[in-house]
Amino acid sequence: NAGVTQTPKFQVLKTGQSMTLQCAQDMNHNSMYWYRQDPGMGLRLIYYSASEGTTDKGEVPNGYNVSRLNKREFSLRLESAAPSQTSVYFCASSEEVGGADTQYFGPGTRLTVL
Amino acid sequence: RKEVEQDPGPFNVPEGATVAFNCTYSNSASQSFFWYRQDCRKEPKLLMSVYSSGNEDGRFTAQLNRASQYISLLIRDSKLSDSATYLCVVSFKAAGNKLTFGGGTRVLVKP
Repeated sequence: NAGVTQTPKFQVLKTGQSMTLQCAQDMNHNSMYWYRQDPGMGLRLIYYSASEGTTDKGEVPNGYNVSRLNKREFSLRLESAAPSQTSVYFCASSEEVGGADTQYFGPGTRLTVL
Repeated sequence: RKEVEQDPGPFNVPEGATVAFNCTYSNSASQSFFWYRQDCRKEPKLLMSVYSSGNEDGRFTAQLNRASQYISLLIRDSKLSDSATYLCVVSFKAAGNKLTFGGGTRVLVKP
């Protein structure tokens, strides 16, 4: 099993460009998440999907959109990238939202917006 | 005030020594607590859950103090491979059980 995979690993964008970050999991998990990690800030939840067909905003959703394409895939889209969106983006999955359930993370996408 | 606060460190620890550090959380309704480990430029991975009575996993001991709203992690007989950032994670039902992460405590174990 590959676990959680993310593409691309690195990306450089110019301000105003758009892009989609891809995430897939092969653990048959119901819930998937997108986080961003900035120095000293910890991971902050952007969006999550408790099950196929549902998505909800997290702590920092502005400037992002998501699609839960099917049970395996959860993509994050930046419509018009801004320098403030320079960050490391992690996708994660779990059997269900919260509780004592372990979240499994992908390797991350390092995004720089110039 | 941040919901989950940690001393960023670094904690410089001689190999074989014991190191302990805390994490405080602001929401008294928090229900689940975890320590995750993150190596440099890698993804976080669950180290251990933290139970009310405290729990051990090999050289790692986690404690929860609900009255003072903090959790702790103690590492005994530190190994070079314990060098990492340790993330304190909290969840509570009113937030849909979503996880809230602290900024992390960096530990450097030196020979």
